Amino acid sequence: DQQVKQNSPSLSVQEGRISILNCDYTNSMFDYFLWYKKYPAEGPTFLISISSIKDKNEDGRFTVFLNKSAKHLSLHIVPSQPGDSAVYFCAASTGNQFYFGTGTSLTVIP
Amino acid sequence: DAGITQSPRHKVTETGTPVTLRCHQTENHRYMYWYRQDPGHGLRLIHYSYGVKDTDKGEVSDGYSVSRSKTEDFLLTLESATSSQTSVYFCAISRTGDTEAFFGQGTRLTVV
Repeated sequence: DQQVKQNSPSLSVQEGRISILNCDYTNSMFDYFLWYKKYPAEGPTFLISISSIKDKNEDGRFTVFLNKSAKHLSLHIVPSQPGDSAVYFCAASTGNQFYFGTGTSLTVIP
Repeated sequence: DAGITQSPRHKVTETGTPVTLRCHQTENHRYMYWYRQDPGHGLRLIHYSYGVKDTDKGEVSDGYSVSRSKTEDFLLTLESATSSQTSVYFCAISRTGDTEAFFGQGTRLTVV
């Protein structure tokens, strides 16, 4: 059964606006959460992460929010740029394994 | 970029033949992983290694075996390839196993 879920297969956003990508998880033992970005024919690239002891982590235009009580993770991209168009995977770790969601394809419209 | 090289990058093979994919790292990371990516399934863990000769199964390990005889190399073997193993395979490495993992460029395998 999928322990990390991304329920939105795709998202379209206008350039300059905010992109919000969501992720839910079921395993309360996850202690580290990550977001990856993937372009076609390339490997996933690490974007940003957050430990379970925090509720927010920011890196430039990217912010990850963690709501442990809701078992929910989100990635905010502000402002969105056309180069952000890619598939985004969320992932969670228990200590030696990473579990990935199915991905959300983000399209940023110029 | 993390030093991870996967080979081959593309392979077409026939059903029933053995296939070995190689992952080579130059980062001296302890953990190495093999994932497969399929539409609708995201990235699913096949096997992983937490040290030389130390390996464990992931969620989709049936039909696959792995070996790690050196820190830098992690091999994935399909003993007898089937069409259901047509996929894109990614190797990943992690220094600690619970923080960031870094991925290779992937191997596209087609079993006909």
